[in-house]
Amino acid sequence: DSGVTQTPKHLITATGQRVTLRCSPRSGDLSVYWYQQSLDQGLQFLIQYYNGEERAKGNILERFSAQQFPDLHSELNLSSLELGDSALYFCASSVGWGGGPTDTQYFGPGTRLTVL
Amino acid sequence: DAKTTQPPSMDCAEGRAANLPCNHSTISGNEYVYWYRQIHSQGPQYIIHGLKNNETNEMASLIITEDRKSSTLILPHATLRDTAVYYCIAPNNLFFGTGTRLTVIP
Repeated sequence: DSGVTQTPKHLITATGQRVTLRCSPRSGDLSVYWYQQSLDQGLQFLIQYYNGEERAKGNILERFSAQQFPDLHSELNLSSLELGDSALYFCASSVGWGGGPTDTQYFGPGTRLTVL
Repeated sequence: DAKTTQPPSMDCAEGRAANLPCNHSTISGNEYVYWYRQIHSQGPQYIIHGLKNNETNEMASLIITEDRKSSTLILPHATLRDTAVYYCIAPNNLFFGTGTRLTVIP
């Protein structure tokens, strides 16, 4: 158990819909990262927040947005869903914000999104 | 856009050492190299990290070249449970790429 929780574990929805994925970081971690992993693909970095502020942005679609709240939990919002958005979505957290010695990422179990 | 280069797949006999290479030529002087692994569709698991000296923990050893442009993760006695995708991350600890799929063969 990494200490990072993600809800829900599974989500099935239809094209055009909007969903929200939730992540609670480990106690004491200030950074939250979101990744997308499509079937048999590598992890694609979407976005990072550090202490409530956006820290880095990857290949995140305009239909996707995220935020980190004052209690440090984070939500990833996916809208106008398409079939190609079906994937595993992982959240990770770390103490620091960059490539330093305290930036080990601890991953949650993921949310499996299926768009029909 | 991955900033590291890893072979897509490797095989290793059970009980032998598995040596997984990674090139990270764009790494800057103060950035750490991190290694993770992912078993099936589970969340990736941290293995080890280092800056410029060799590192060892209960899971693996990490050898970083003097110029820091590449590193090798060593699993000293691979078991079947080490079959996974291994990711080398640098710089900025964000871009995982597709990693190396290690298969440990009985």
